[in-house]
Amino acid sequence: DARVTQTPRDKVTEMGQEVTMRCQPILGHNTVFWYRQTMMQGLELLAYFRNRAPLDDSGMPKDRFSAEMPDATLATLKIQPSEPRDSAVYFCASGLVLSGLAGVMVGELFFGEGSRLTVL
Amino acid sequence: SQKIEQNSEALNIQEGKTATLTCNYTNYSPAYLQWYRQDPGRGPVFLLLIRENEKEKRKERLKVTFDTTLKQSLFHITASQPADSATYLCALVPSGGYNKLIFGAGTRLAVHP
Repeated sequence: DARVTQTPRDKVTEMGQEVTMRCQPILGHNTVFWYRQTMMQGLELLAYFRNRAPLDDSGMPKDRFSAEMPDATLATLKIQPSEPRDSAVYFCASGLVLSGLAGVMVGELFFGEGSRLTVL
Repeated sequence: SQKIEQNSEALNIQEGKTATLTCNYTNYSPAYLQWYRQDPGRGPVFLLLIRENEKEKRKERLKVTFDTTLKQSLFHITASQPADSATYLCALVPSGGYNKLIFGAGTRLAVHP
């Protein structure tokens, strides 16, 4: 049963520390999204990759966040240095961008279980 | 500014009734819209996708409508069950750009026996 795998599931760290979250997308998917979810903001899009190339990271604070996809089986989201306001659940999702007569379309996204980050 | 609005208040209904959830959007012209279900502590799970040229889409007890004039999508669950209790999120892809999926904040549905 194919699924998106995220690690760690839970992370508690102190302000100023580096945090790296990892995601293994579903094999064959060509699109990877990183989202952050909080009670106040809901699901916010942080970064978006297609065929491993970053297409949009406008939702990400550039000074401390970075997202990469070093190969097709791994996407990473790094925060350095972390701050208490970064506390949230971070989701990775993968899917297929489909091209057809109706144009280009993102099909259903498959989400991981999330990484809950607490920065003290 | 661009907005996706879902009712932030929880929707409480009795088992067996039809639940109707609303997704309104402003300053978007989406080519299509998706609905997801999210249970506590879990990632969202895809339910349905509806294109701008489709008025209605059905899947078992679920029905989605898409009115591009009203800039609104309605999500219906008929014969609701306590197991349908969850948060339901709508998501759209703005036309143009890179097909990034933008989510509303979600509406929590509670179905009572």
